[in-house]
Amino acid sequence: GAVVSQHPSRVICKSGTSVKIECRSLDFQATTMFWYRQFPKQSLMLMATSNEGSKATYEQGVEKDKFLINHASLTLSTLTVTSAHPEDSSFYICSASRGIDEQFFGPGTRLTVL
Amino acid sequence: GESVGLHLPTLSVQEGDNSIINCAYSNSASDYFIWYKQESGKGPQFIIDIRSNMDKRQGQRVTVLLNKTVKHLSLQIAATQPGDSAVYFCAEKLGNAGNMLTFGGGTRLMVKP
Repeated sequence: GAVVSQHPSRVICKSGTSVKIECRSLDFQATTMFWYRQFPKQSLMLMATSNEGSKATYEQGVEKDKFLINHASLTLSTLTVTSAHPEDSSFYICSASRGIDEQFFGPGTRLTVL
Repeated sequence: GESVGLHLPTLSVQEGDNSIINCAYSNSASDYFIWYKQESGKGPQFIIDIRSNMDKRQGQRVTVLLNKTVKHLSLQIAATQPGDSAVYFCAEKLGNAGNMLTFGGGTRLMVKP
């Protein structure tokens, strides 16, 4: 149990385009979902926290108009990188929580912006 | 293992030996700690957790030690195997921060056959 999926697993896009990444909790309802970004050889950095049906809470330095988060249901959250640029290339990871301490992580999405 | 910038500290061990990975956490108010294993190109995988009212917890082949006095956490892996090769992260949760985790810098474990 407690499986989280992400789609796509990797995406390559042109500079200036927008990319949507989906995060799904497959076998449980996630009251909270988290989005992280990870650059090569670095740790996970929290970007935002989202609760179903409410606006996401963004960490300091993360532009909410650039990284749009929608948490429309208890099993799905989406992250849209708008007007992507090469510096947005990174590994994006989501996690989902059932309301207790543990977070269950997705497999990540590798974004490459050309 | 603390990590700054672009270089992950690396621990290299011989297959069969025990491994100890260290982590210094930042906030004395943190009440829950987790160790994650991350293989290349994959998301973090839960290994073991510990609450602040404990100083030791054992799992299968893994032990986590918590020293709140010096804000130090360690992960011990017994009889390290090639499949243990990965990057290991500690994460802490503040008592009043909901489920939000703060990750440490990570340590790369390399197991030599």
